[in-house]
Amino acid sequence: EAQVTQNPRYLITVTGKKLTVTCSQNMNHEYMSWYRQDPGLGLRQIYYSMNVEVTDKGDVPEGYKVSRKEKRNFPLILESPSPNQTSLYFCASSLTSGRAPEQFFGPGTRLTVL
Amino acid sequence: AQKITQTQPGMFVQEKEAVTLDCTYDTSDPSYGLFWYKQPSSGEMIFLIYQGSYDQQNATEGRYSLNFQKARKSANLVISASQLGDSAMYFCAITGGYNKLIFGAGTRLAVHP
Repeated sequence: EAQVTQNPRYLITVTGKKLTVTCSQNMNHEYMSWYRQDPGLGLRQIYYSMNVEVTDKGDVPEGYKVSRKEKRNFPLILESPSPNQTSLYFCASSLTSGRAPEQFFGPGTRLTVL
Repeated sequence: AQKITQTQPGMFVQEKEAVTLDCTYDTSDPSYGLFWYKQPSSGEMIFLIYQGSYDQQNATEGRYSLNFQKARKSANLVISASQLGDSAMYFCAITGGYNKLIFGAGTRLAVHP
């Protein structure tokens, strides 16, 4: 089954404790990205990757890191989480095609930083 | 820069009736795509429908149709014959370059029996 998986699905942590949210897709998609969802703001892109070893900032990259060492994986790293990073996080992937870049979303990770 | 505006924070509809969720957009790109996603209370993002800026006909997918008015920069979602399972958050989005989607704030739809 074609899918994007994320782990963990739920995480409660404390300020400053490094964490990683994993993302994996099995569709051989070149393009992957991370979004965060906050009430009243919709989803905003954090980072994206066009292919292996190619990553770039999205609209709200502060406080986050990513890496793309393999095509299927795109982990999101919070080196020193803060309470304003409490949010619902989505990983997405798509084929890098021109016309209809439908993004396949993972199930979401609900993060709470105390 | 691209922008999506969803002016209805919340809507309700009676079961089996039709409902229109509004979406207006702003972009300077001549070619773009418009999407609608559904987010039920469980949280996942479910793709509903897509409209390309050069598509001549309005997109339809089952009970979902997109009322695309390019000159007015609007892309409203019409849900026909609403069902209780349609109660959810609905997001309109536009392509923003490099396969990025720019999302609106969303509209929460409640379907009443």
